[in-house]
Amino acid sequence: DVKVTQSSRYLVKRTGEKVFLECVQDMDHENMFWYRQDPGLGLRLIYFSYDVKMKEKGDIPEGYSVSREKKERFSLILESASTNQTSMYLCASSSPGQGPYEQYFGPGTRLTVT
Amino acid sequence: GDSVTQMEGPVTLSEEACLTINCTYTATGYPSLFWYVQYPGEGLQLLLKATKADDKGSNKGFEATYRKETTSFHLEKGSVQVSDSAVYFCALNAVYNFNKFYFGSGTKLNVKP
Repeated sequence: DVKVTQSSRYLVKRTGEKVFLECVQDMDHENMFWYRQDPGLGLRLIYFSYDVKMKEKGDIPEGYSVSREKKERFSLILESASTNQTSMYLCASSSPGQGPYEQYFGPGTRLTVT
Repeated sequence: GDSVTQMEGPVTLSEEACLTINCTYTATGYPSLFWYVQYPGEGLQLLLKATKADDKGSNKGFEATYRKETTSFHLEKGSVQVSDSAVYFCALNAVYNFNKFYFGSGTKLNVKP
């Protein structure tokens, strides 16, 4: 079974802090994704990565950056956290060799910025 | 652009009632379609999928049929259980970019004993 883990289930940070959210997958997947989930808005893609050191912006990249130094690990960085970044953050992975490219999700990190 | 629209919740049912959650999509070509489920406090899990027109995905008593003519992928279950209480997301995988998923806004299902 694919396992996607996220470093924290709950996180509370202050406005202006730099925040790191970590995601690790154990199935050698090439693709990894960061979404945020907000009530009534579903899931919105922040960034994704299709290879080590490769990244592409999703639909809402503003205020975020990412890092992928190793294949199994994908980090989401909030350079200067703001209250409007309070949300549930979900990491996912997929492999282009396993059509139709279904995504496997981690348990999520609920971030509160005060 | 591609998009997914699903019925708003919450949906509240008694145990053993029939369930239908509507999902329609707009897409270029013929995308793959998915239902994901999110139990309280957890991430999303794939529930079922269909990759071409008239395909029926099924799992754990849930079913959904890929209807090209109505661009729909409604989720159905004949008899729900309390343990089915969760949020259900319809999603499509874009034909032109296999990394691109579009999710609906989610439908919360509450099943009462």
